[in-house]
Amino acid sequence: GENVEQHPSTLSVQEGDSAVIKCTYSDSASNYFPWYKQELGKRPQLIIDIRSNVGEKKDQRIAVTLNKTAKHFSLHITETQPEDSAVYFCAASLPSAGKSTFGDGTTLTVKP
Amino acid sequence: ETGVTQTPRHLVMGMTNKKSLKCEQHLGHNAMYWYKQSAKKPLELMFVYNFKEQTENNSVPSRFSPECPNSSHLFLHLHTLQPEDSALYLCASGGQGLNTEAFFGQGTRLTVV
Repeated sequence: GENVEQHPSTLSVQEGDSAVIKCTYSDSASNYFPWYKQELGKRPQLIIDIRSNVGEKKDQRIAVTLNKTAKHFSLHITETQPEDSAVYFCAASLPSAGKSTFGDGTTLTVKP
Repeated sequence: ETGVTQTPRHLVMGMTNKKSLKCEQHLGHNAMYWYKQSAKKPLELMFVYNFKEQTENNSVPSRFSPECPNSSHLFLHLHTLQPEDSALYLCASGGQGLNTEAFFGQGTRLTVV
């Protein structure tokens, strides 16, 4: 089955700096890679996703990149703000699997 | 509000009790999921249902029993739980294919005493 590793497990940055979270996956057949943000006491929420036919996707201050050859994908947050503080989960999904395999999460703290 | 509603939000139960968690979605999704979230394992898949049929049981102990009477409702029946089962139980829904468990409920915080 699919295995997803996520690094780092914790990340602390100053407000305004950039933050990068990296994930690797094991099954080259995976073709959908969502990212979730979970604020303290709240539900995980899908913030951005990327499919295997795309190398990069951007949405305002958030961007994801995908390297299929190396089987890794990354979340980039620019101009971080305190409200970006949360746990971020990456995931990988096989075609028609109907489910995603999640990484163990990264706790991001943005210091004002 | 993402359209996935879980009740109750908090539950305290004894080890000999029987209780049920409920999840409801009116997003027209055909897949529903139960996840366990704890410090030990941040997002642990328990069960997957597609079109009311269970398609995955991730080696979950039989003291957890899921039920999916229709595509909009999912239950998790609990009996003779252990203290280590205390966790946040998250329901999610999604569509088959590329967009999987895109929408999560708020979760039920379960404490077993």
